[in-house]
Amino acid sequence: DTGVSQDPRHKITKRGQNVTFRCDPISEHNRLYWYRQTLGQGPEFLTYFQNEAQLEKSRLLSDRFSAERPKGSFSTLEIQRTEQGDSAMYLCASSLVFGTRLFVHEETQYFGPGTRLLVL
Amino acid sequence: AQSVSQHNHHVILSEAASLELGCNYSYGGTVNLFWYVQYPGQHLQLLLKYFSGDPLVKGIKGFEAEFIKSKFSFNLRKPSVQWSDTAEYFCAVITDSGAGSYQLTFGKGTKLSVIP
Repeated sequence: DTGVSQDPRHKITKRGQNVTFRCDPISEHNRLYWYRQTLGQGPEFLTYFQNEAQLEKSRLLSDRFSAERPKGSFSTLEIQRTEQGDSAMYLCASSLVFGTRLFVHEETQYFGPGTRLLVL
Repeated sequence: AQSVSQHNHHVILSEAASLELGCNYSYGGTVNLFWYVQYPGQHLQLLLKYFSGDPLVKGIKGFEAEFIKSKFSFNLRKPSVQWSDTAEYFCAVITDSGAGSYQLTFGKGTKLSVIP
């Protein structure tokens, strides 16, 4: 299966620790998205990349969050000084688009299994 | 900012009953519309999508959705549900807002429980 993969699938950490998650998109997909999902809510957009460029960040993404996609393939999402409110499922999605316009008609995002974070 | 409303939080149906899940969005420009499904213990999967053309779109597993532009709606339907349709269903929309903000916005989801 060559879908989106995420690692780890589960992470338990103590408040104040740093955590890093990895996402491997579908091969040759040039866009990569990060979302956060809490209980009873739909996924909420955090940030996205086209190739290695980070094009948009949500206001949900505080200064403690940083995302990278250094070679335009896999991406990492780091949370520094975790807080209990960071407990959530972190989802990654990828897509293949042509061109550089922000809104791409007929773009479809494919999601990974997520990393479930629990901050104690 | 764009928003997506799903009217039902939890729907319980018996097998063979018909299903309709409501979805309304707030933006009137060009839209891409999606329904995703999350089966228990699995990740989000694309059920169907609408980009343009015929407003009635068919997806996997017998699902269909109708885009009604005048009502800003994209309701999901299935004529006869099965126990295996038990899952959470998310409506999502992405718009050409023109304001520089670009994101796929999800509704809160509707949990469907099908009783055998």
